[in-house]
This record gives sequence, structure tokens and C-alpha cells, in this order.
Amino acid sequence: GQQVQQSPASLVLQEGENAELQCNFSSTATQLQWFYQSPGGSLVSLLSNPSGTKHTGRLTSTTVTKERRSSLHISSSQTTDSGTYLCAIDPNSGTYQRFGTGTKLQVVP
Amino acid sequence: NSKVIQTPRYLVKGQGQKAKMRCIPEKGHPVVFWYQQNKNNEFKFLINFQNQEVLQQIDMTEKRFSAECPSNSPCSLEIQSSEAGDSALYLCASSLLLGGREQYFGPGTRLTVL
Repeated sequence: GQQVQQSPASLVLQEGENAELQCNFSSTATQLQWFYQSPGGSLVSLLSNPSGTKHTGRLTSTTVTKERRSSLHISSSQTTDSGTYLCAIDPNSGTYQRFGTGTKLQVVP
Repeated sequence: NSKVIQTPRYLVKGQGQKAKMRCIPEKGHPVVFWYQQNKNNEFKFLINFQNQEVLQQIDMTEKRFSAECPSNSPCSLEIQSSEAGDSALYLCASSLLLGGREQYFGPGTRLTVL
């Protein structure tokens, strides 16, 4: 089955609202990354957060390793935040990443 | 951000044709990954290298794809005989280490097989 589950699948926000994206995974993770994928396809690494809480700009990620879940909080959303947010884990050090199918975010003015 | 370079950005091939794409990893990154992302956003790992050596690959890659990462040249992924189901975004990523480190992705090559 799917090792990484993301929710919600899609989300529409008014500009200025906050977003909370969830990532649940079925195996232990030695690495966890949140990515942003633009409509054009380019994948940009936002945060690397295998455990604990990390902040960068308007983004905050909290990963609770023993509960196998991570969240990405986007504060004060902007229209330029629209795109797909992907969560990926490395379940064992020394293998490839497993990706969720993403949350498609649309921020409207 | 990422300095992984992928070419071409778009590739259109007929069924049965060869399709070749290239990737230049970030400088100093010895580990390279190839992934396939389909229209449903599902990622499939294809193959990875450490320096010039293949570390892991899936069955499909072994049979229908050829890939290499020669020293001082771009890495490449080639589909020997394209099928309609190969239409997807092919993403190359590089990393400092094989496990437990961030992967940095290129912009991808979007392959369309007619």
C-alpha cells in the first residue's frame, strides 16, 4: 500500500488565510522532506524535517517521528503559494525516497 | 536553491523510438536518483547511482531503460523503445550521501510518447 499519505488532496484558500497540510507515513523515516512543485513541474525543497519543529519564513513543519506524521503550516497565504505540496520520506538510510501524491493548494485573491 | 540541470525540458517521441534525457547533478554530489512522476502525481523510483556505479534499480529499468553516470559527463537515462505508458515527468535528484540527506531536484524532462 501507499507508504506516504497526504491530506487534504486539495485545498482552496483566500489570500491571507493559513493552511495546514498533513503527511502520514507507514514506516520509520530517517529523512523527511517537504517539497513545492510548481504547475510547470519544478520541485523545490522547502524543509528537511525528520523530527521536531522547523521554521523558514512563513512555513513551519512539525514532525512527530514516533507517531509517523508531519505537518506543514503555511501562514498568511499568498496567491504565489498556489501549487502542489509533496511530502517524501527516506524509510531506511540508504534507499530512495517515497513520495505522497501531494496536496494541491490554490490561493485566490 | 537546486542547481541540478536537466535537458531537454520537453521530449516528444513516437512509440518504439528511443528517448534520451540528461542530468547534471549539483557539484560535489556523488549520488544521483531518477524518478518517474505520472499524471496522477505518483512517483516511481527508477534507478540510483553513487559516482558511476548503479546502486539500486527496479525491474522495469533493468529491462527497458539504460542509464549511466560517467565521470566528467552528464548522467543519462534512455528508454530503448518508448511506450505510451512512459509518458511522464522524469525527475533527476542529487544528494551528498545515499541516505538521511536531502535530495535536490532538477526541473524534470516531460516526455510525451505519441
